[in-house]
Amino acid sequence: DADVTQTPRNRITKTGKRIMLECSQTKGHDRMYWYRQDPGLGLRLIYYSFDVKDINKGEISDGYSVSRQAQAKFSLSLESAIPNQTALYFCATSDLGSKDSLYQETQYFGPGTRLLVL
Amino acid sequence: AQKITQTQPGMFVQEKEAVTLDCTYDTSDQSYGLFWYKQPSSGEMIFLIYQGSYDEQNATEGRYSLNFQKARKSANLVISASQLGDSAMYFCAMREGDYGGSQGNLIFGKGTKLSVKP
Repeated sequence: DADVTQTPRNRITKTGKRIMLECSQTKGHDRMYWYRQDPGLGLRLIYYSFDVKDINKGEISDGYSVSRQAQAKFSLSLESAIPNQTALYFCATSDLGSKDSLYQETQYFGPGTRLLVL
Repeated sequence: AQKITQTQPGMFVQEKEAVTLDCTYDTSDQSYGLFWYKQPSSGEMIFLIYQGSYDEQNATEGRYSLNFQKARKSANLVISASQLGDSAMYFCAMREGDYGGSQGNLIFGKGTKLSVKP
């Protein structure tokens, strides 16, 4: 079984609809992230969470909200979807493990959710 | 200014040959980590290799090695003995140190599409 799972894998929705993307992990990592990828671009950070009570905005948080329901679960919501939120969305996790500093952490990604907003 | 620059939008390599994918970065932090990820056509992001700013030796992971030139701020990925399965997008990414940029932000380049020819 995959360590980081995302549901749904594909979703088509209409403008104005509320949608939730879910992420679960079995890696036991404390830190979780949501990114979006647009064609021809790298990934951009939407939100990140260092533990259940610590949630932070990333580079492009407008129009999104998140919920960290448990150490293993991190959900991304689009309250009122718009077409320019059409993208590939990734969840990622990380943990210090044997490393000393945050910059040494490797982030491990889920399989992604393809979202199309009509 | 871009923090991560990948100047090769696309590259071709003959099967069994070596290929170098370029990455330059821009940071004023002394502590940072550099990462390479592979994204096959199926969409998932696969971690390949990590190099820390204080690491004196170039990182290696199987057929992947990182040519780290700190003074030039470059972190090129070298793939030896290319295989057809290496055809994918490759992303260079950086995470800046604890006292520099955002603690959560993995900054990505726009990627290089590698095509391996039989």
